[in-house]
Amino acid sequence: QVQLQESGPGLVKPSQTLSLTCTVSGGSISSGSYYWSWIRQPAGKGLEWIGRIYTSGSTNYNPSLKSRVTISVDTSKNQFSLKLSSVTAADTAVYYCARKGSSWSPFDYWGQGTLVTVSS
Amino acid sequence: EIVMTQSPATLSVSPGERATLSCRASQSVSSNLAWYQQKPGQAPRLLIYGASTRATGIPARFSGSGSGTEFTLTISSLQSEDFAVYYCQQYNNWPLFGQGTKLEIK
Repeated sequence: QVQLQESGPGLVKPSQTLSLTCTVSGGSISSGSYYWSWIRQPAGKGLEWIGRIYTSGSTNYNPSLKSRVTISVDTSKNQFSLKLSSVTAADTAVYYCARKGSSWSPFDYWGQGTLVTVSS
Repeated sequence: EIVMTQSPATLSVSPGERATLSCRASQSVSSNLAWYQQKPGQAPRLLIYGASTRATGIPARFSGSGSGTEFTLTISSLQSEDFAVYYCQQYNNWPLFGQGTKLEIK
């Protein structure tokens, strides 16, 4: 059973960089053909896909966030990470990591989510 | 850019009754459509993928239909644990979610 767990600071100051890590257990992050994604949800609002990294290391980002987002993978630790730069209060949200299969697949495994607040 | 529109925003239904939720895509997404259930404080849970295939462990009272631009999630006989927010998501292109339908007890 694959499990995902987000970790990182719960409070980030405006203009700084938000950094989160997702640790995958129950399977190797580098095996199979999977996309590893970050998704966020502001309080009381809907879900926004941030971006993803493929098993091969290639990345795709939401065009609305692309200039500020970097997703990377550390296969030795079975983790992938999110960096979101120049944050503002609008980036306050619960951040989820999730797995999807090949191109035409849904998100089948999700982390529990971690709240990140942007405030001075 | 594809836009996903869910209706209604809130649906009030009594336990034991049927609930029908709609999701519309602004352009065809074929059958690359999933439905998720989200309860307060929890991550979304995959219910339906491929527009009509139930995910592992999902009860048969949940069914999905549609293709192209019009999709429906039907819950045949509502149980207390079904009251939650439901999201549709297209994966024909970059992942994109609808704004959600809150299913509440009438």
